[in-house]
Amino acid sequence: KNEVEQSPQNLTAQEGEFITINCSYSVGISALHWLQQHPGGGIVSLFMLSSGKKKHGRLIATINIQEKHSSLHITASHPRDSAVYICAVRGSQGNLIFGKGTKLSVKP
Amino acid sequence: EPEVTQTPSHQVTQMGQEVILRCVPISNHLYFYWYRQILGQKVEFLVSFYNNEISEKSEIFDDQFSVERPDGSNFTLKIRSTKLEDSAMYFCAYQARDAPVGYTFGSGTRLTVV
Repeated sequence: KNEVEQSPQNLTAQEGEFITINCSYSVGISALHWLQQHPGGGIVSLFMLSSGKKKHGRLIATINIQEKHSSLHITASHPRDSAVYICAVRGSQGNLIFGKGTKLSVKP
Repeated sequence: EPEVTQTPSHQVTQMGQEVILRCVPISNHLYFYWYRQILGQKVEFLVSFYNNEISEKSEIFDDQFSVERPDGSNFTLKIRSTKLEDSAMYFCAYQARDAPVGYTFGSGTRLTVV
């Protein structure tokens, strides 16, 4: 059983749509991270959450610790948002446990 | 975010050869990590390095792997005798104590073992 599950695996949206990517985890965590991986392979950290909600530009991340669930929202999506979005949780040892990622494609 | 430079960006090596992957963080942070991503799969933890010692390692990080911080700046991952299944993208990362997003990842090294 995967410790970090993401849904959907693939997502295609039209430019301007509101997008939600979900993440559920089954282990105790000290923090949850949302990452963006570009087609070239590079990984960029978007958010680190341990409670509540964070916002950066058009991106919003929320976490519900009791339900072990987090969501990443993108408002007014744009083709440049096309990437793989990865949820990862930080365990007690400090290393990250990654989900398989959600491949997002935003069409103009 | 400060950049983390990894070299080489792409390396092709013969099976059985030794490879050394390098990571040069800009800032002097204490916590460093190596991760790898086999093509089409999720990112996997290899090893964490704290205060010039290994603090945690995964089952993947067997005796063929080693890490060093030889000059207090470069952070290296060595694979002594590469296997075909070592072909992957290797990322170093560091954890900044006060950074709002926590981790900064290197640009990655794509290792291809033939």
